[in-house]
Amino acid sequence: GNSVTQMEGPVTLSEEAFLTINCTYTATGYPSLFWYVQYPGEGLQLLLKATKADDKGSNKGFEATYRKETTSFHLEKGSVQVSDSAVYFCALILNTGFQKLVFGTGTRLLVSP
Amino acid sequence: DTEVTQTPKHLVMGMTNKKSLKCEQHMGHRAMYWYKQKAKKPPELMFVYSYEKLSINESVPSRFSPECPNSSLLNLHLHALQPEDSALYLCASSQGPLAGNEQFFGPGTRLTVL
Repeated sequence: GNSVTQMEGPVTLSEEAFLTINCTYTATGYPSLFWYVQYPGEGLQLLLKATKADDKGSNKGFEATYRKETTSFHLEKGSVQVSDSAVYFCALILNTGFQKLVFGTGTRLLVSP
Repeated sequence: DTEVTQTPKHLVMGMTNKKSLKCEQHMGHRAMYWYKQKAKKPPELMFVYSYEKLSINESVPSRFSPECPNSSLLNLHLHALQPEDSALYLCASSQGPLAGNEQFFGPGTRLTVL
């Protein structure tokens, strides 16, 4: 089946620290990969995406590279801010058929000043 | 306009009530989705509408009844809900129903069933 595995949270960092949130996937086909962010009390926002192997998605200082050989899509940021505190979801969509987003369990990030 | 709007923001209802959730987008998207999100869990897909027709129903109980009156609107009619149905209900839309199209999410309706 298709699934996404994320590291357990919460991840607690000080401001300006380096962030990595691990994400690996299994898929029966060739997926597109996404990172969504959910701030407290809000819906999901698309943070970045990659649609093929070796693509790098980037947005707001966050980056993730689609690694087919390791089936991974780890999220990184060089210097986190307090405003980055949120829940981050890794997700995939298979590139065939109807869209069905498959989400990981989410990782809560807490950044302190 | 790159926004998906949802009303109401919060809803409290009893188990015998009938209520509706509304979702609207003006991006010209032809696929719309309902998700249910329990606390500290990822969203779970409930329904997919493609070109105003129901394409996917993820075995959702009949007390949830979706409706797509036109390409911009999506409703979720609620009747005889249970307390365990309390959750954040998220609407999303995408340009088309097939893979490769990003889904844009609304802010959600937080539903409490008493």
